[in-house]
Amino acid sequence: DAGVTQSPTHLIKTRGQQVTLRCSPKSGHDTVSWYQQALGQGPQFIFQYYEEEERQRGNFPDRFSGHQFPNYSSELNVNALLLGDSALYLCASSSETGTNQETQYFGPGTRLLVL
Amino acid sequence: AQTVTQSQPEMSVQEAETVTLSCTYDTSESDYYLFWYKQPPSRQMILVIRQEAYKQQNATENRFSVNFQKAAKSFSLKISDSQLGDAAMYFCAYSIRRGANSKLTFGKGITLSVRP
Repeated sequence: DAGVTQSPTHLIKTRGQQVTLRCSPKSGHDTVSWYQQALGQGPQFIFQYYEEEERQRGNFPDRFSGHQFPNYSSELNVNALLLGDSALYLCASSSETGTNQETQYFGPGTRLLVL
Repeated sequence: AQTVTQSQPEMSVQEAETVTLSCTYDTSESDYYLFWYKQPPSRQMILVIRQEAYKQQNATENRFSVNFQKAAKSFSLKISDSQLGDAAMYFCAYSIRRGANSKLTFGKGITLSVRP
């Protein structure tokens, strides 16, 4: 049973550039959430996708956008990168049906460094 | 807005001993979930234990148990027979009951070290 996977594991970009991070949910899951985790802090919710639509959004600017594909995988896009966007980006998946609907399972994350 | 507070930034425990990690939260909801997640230095966030607010019985998972005090809005994690592999950052998290508003709200975390 494959868990949540994310790519790439590490990424270095410069200010002003754009980045795309990818996530494949755990088998059987249909909902994907994205979180930003600054060093030494707890994760902060960016947004959640279900049925290929953004269902809920946290307090992040429009530079952060996403997409969910028919196979439930998801992308996180960040435009006009700022130094403050440097963080670990976590993807979590969950299921709208079955047991443990409320439990989110996390991927290993993508470490983004903006220079 | 819901908030989760972990006031102890660091804790240390001797191997084989018991340690308790504290967490408080604030919410106006009556139906919600609480979680403890573990994040080792390798950074993969792993679910340790979860608690449904409507259940009075405290959740247990092997060496891990919680003390859930709904009226006090307190949710502590007890780790018994601590092992070296328990060393990690632990996050307390809150989620409203499943639906369109099911984001996780995390505390700042606590770094647990285990002394051999």
